[in-house]
Amino acid sequence: KAGVTQTPRYLIKTRGQQVTLSCSPISGHRSVSWYQQTPGQGLQFLFEYFSETQRNKGNFPGRFSGRQFSNSRSEMNVSTLELGDSALYLCASTIGGPGTEAFFGQGTRLTVV
Amino acid sequence: AQSVTQLDSQVPVFEEAPVELRCNYSSSVSVYLFWYVQYPNQGLQLLLKYLSGSTLVKGINGFEAEFNKSQTSFHLRKPSVHISDTAEYFCAVKPREMGYSTLTFGKGTMLLVSP
Repeated sequence: KAGVTQTPRYLIKTRGQQVTLSCSPISGHRSVSWYQQTPGQGLQFLFEYFSETQRNKGNFPGRFSGRQFSNSRSEMNVSTLELGDSALYLCASTIGGPGTEAFFGQGTRLTVV
Repeated sequence: AQSVTQLDSQVPVFEEAPVELRCNYSSSVSVYLFWYVQYPNQGLQLLLKYLSGSTLVKGINGFEAEFNKSQTSFHLRKPSVHISDTAEYFCAVKPREMGYSTLTFGKGTMLLVSP
């Protein structure tokens, strides 16, 4: 059974640019969540999508957005990149029921220069 | 809202020694509890979870954790560590009653196992 796939694994962008990250969940999983991991702030929740609808959102500026497609694949977009957006972005998928575990991808390492 | 405190940012230990990684949480609602491990340049892997029932939970790689409701703790233990256990460990909680899957994580504990 294939795991959660995130692409690309590494990205280098310039301040002011925008970026799109992709996440393909485990087959049959309908919930996809995104997390930002930095040395200073640790793991912080960005947003969660379930059946193409955003059902929870973390405390991030509007420059961070996401969407989910009918096949449950998800993308997140960051516009007007800032140096502080440099981080490991992790995607997690779950079937969606209570108590179900989240399976994480290997992440996308974004560096903003 | 929920919060998770991992009391030690780093725990050095010798190979074959026992280890305990501490986790305390705060929540106004009942939660599920999880421990994840992260190896360098990797995502997170679930070690174990507490949903209900016995407060002692066994996970992969010989790890176990005990849920203590009165102390709001969920400490992770291993009786004998290996070099390969060197990694960062994260404690996390998720509300039981909410309809979403959001995890709140602690800051992590780096376990450093030396020979």
